[in-house]
Amino acid sequence: DAGVIQSPRHEVTEMGQEVTLRCKPISGHDYLFWYRQTMMRGLELLIYFNNNVPIDDSGMPEDRFSAKMPNASFSTLKIQPSEPRDSAVYFCASSWDSLTYEQYFGPGTRLTVT
Amino acid sequence: AQSVAQPEDQVNVAEGNPLTVKCTYSVSGNPYLFWYVQYPNRGLQFLLKYITGDNLVKGSYGFEAEFNKSQTSFHLKKPSALVSDSALYFCAVVSGNTPLVFGKGTRLSVIA
Repeated sequence: DAGVIQSPRHEVTEMGQEVTLRCKPISGHDYLFWYRQTMMRGLELLIYFNNNVPIDDSGMPEDRFSAKMPNASFSTLKIQPSEPRDSAVYFCASSWDSLTYEQYFGPGTRLTVT
Repeated sequence: AQSVAQPEDQVNVAEGNPLTVKCTYSVSGNPYLFWYVQYPNRGLQFLLKYITGDNLVKGSYGFEAEFNKSQTSFHLKKPSALVSDSALYFCAVVSGNTPLVFGKGTRLSVIA
């Protein structure tokens, strides 16, 4: 398996633009997680899905952020409109059928909003 | 609410010396404890975990960790550090139905 795949790897956009980050989890994994990593705040869980259903989105910063998982092999994280404070590295991770299983992380998307 | 503390932002150790990266946790039920490592410009990578059983857990790259329930600790150790071990290390905990909670990370620097 190729592991968790994220695209794009780097994104530079201007404030106010819409940004869409994409993730393909490992085949067979039931859980999918979206994280944000910054120097100031460390690693934050934004939202996670179980069997394509959002379970907890309490970490989503505000209504500008939304996430979907239309099927077991694809998820998106959208920011609209983007702001400079959204600049961070966004990670997607997936795991097997329990929260006690280890998570496999993608390489991340480095987002810069100018 | 569950939480993890990594008291050291940075740990420096000479190559060949033993290393310890500290982690303490706070949960209301039984903890499931993890260590992850992050190399520059990469995603986190699983090292080892404690679920139940033997308190000493062995993981990838010669790392091990000891679960200590009385001290609520799960310190990461390696007998002999390598320069290639230099990275950012995260401790994390799961309890009940809540997902992983990560510590803030400890940067390990192994000096040749």
